[in-house]
Amino acid sequence: DGGITQSPKYLFRKEGQNVTLSCEQNLNHDAMYWYRQDPGQGLRLIYYSQIVNDFQKGDIAEGYSVSREKKESFPLTVTSAQKNPTAFYLCASSIDGVQPQHFGDGTRLSIL
Amino acid sequence: RKEVEQDPGPFNVPEGATVAFNCTYSNSASQSFFWYRQDCRKEPKLLMSVYSSGNEDGRFTAQLNRASQYISLLIRDSKLSDSATYLCAVNTLSGSARQLTFGSGTQLTVLP
Repeated sequence: DGGITQSPKYLFRKEGQNVTLSCEQNLNHDAMYWYRQDPGQGLRLIYYSQIVNDFQKGDIAEGYSVSREKKESFPLTVTSAQKNPTAFYLCASSIDGVQPQHFGDGTRLSIL
Repeated sequence: RKEVEQDPGPFNVPEGATVAFNCTYSNSASQSFFWYRQDCRKEPKLLMSVYSSGNEDGRFTAQLNRASQYISLLIRDSKLSDSATYLCAVNTLSGSARQLTFGSGTQLTVLP
């Protein structure tokens, strides 16, 4: 099946720990995105990548890092510098950044 | 002023009712527009793109008013299964990349 796979579905972070959220797509899409959603809120853009080996900060990049070494993969690391990481994290991809984005089923991150 | 604004609702309507949502955007250079549906604790799913001439998909009609900078979604003959949060999204060229900015969502509950 073609789609976007996020893992894990649930993740717990200890204080001072970095954690990495996985996002893989087999849609051959060029553009990939990471969003954060807090309860009752809309989606806020963390980072995006239009092409392999290139990525840009979104509106709330502080405390996060990404890499785009392969077209299919866009992992997000939540660093210890992100003091309020509890949220629903959504990865999305688009053929070219103009066509609509399609989402993975998300990762829920909580602090232990 | 937020780039994309929606009435958060909630909208509580009886089955069979017609309901309309509006979404305003601030960047006149915005180029493409979408409506997404998000069920509780799930990822957003593309409902429909919004075209300049307006478009319809079954009970759903989307319209774009560039002069007043808003998009709308009309749902006719509401079903219980339409209960969800509806997010508008606006695609804007930012520097050399395109970003999709989401509204915070409008919550709809269809009552029996």
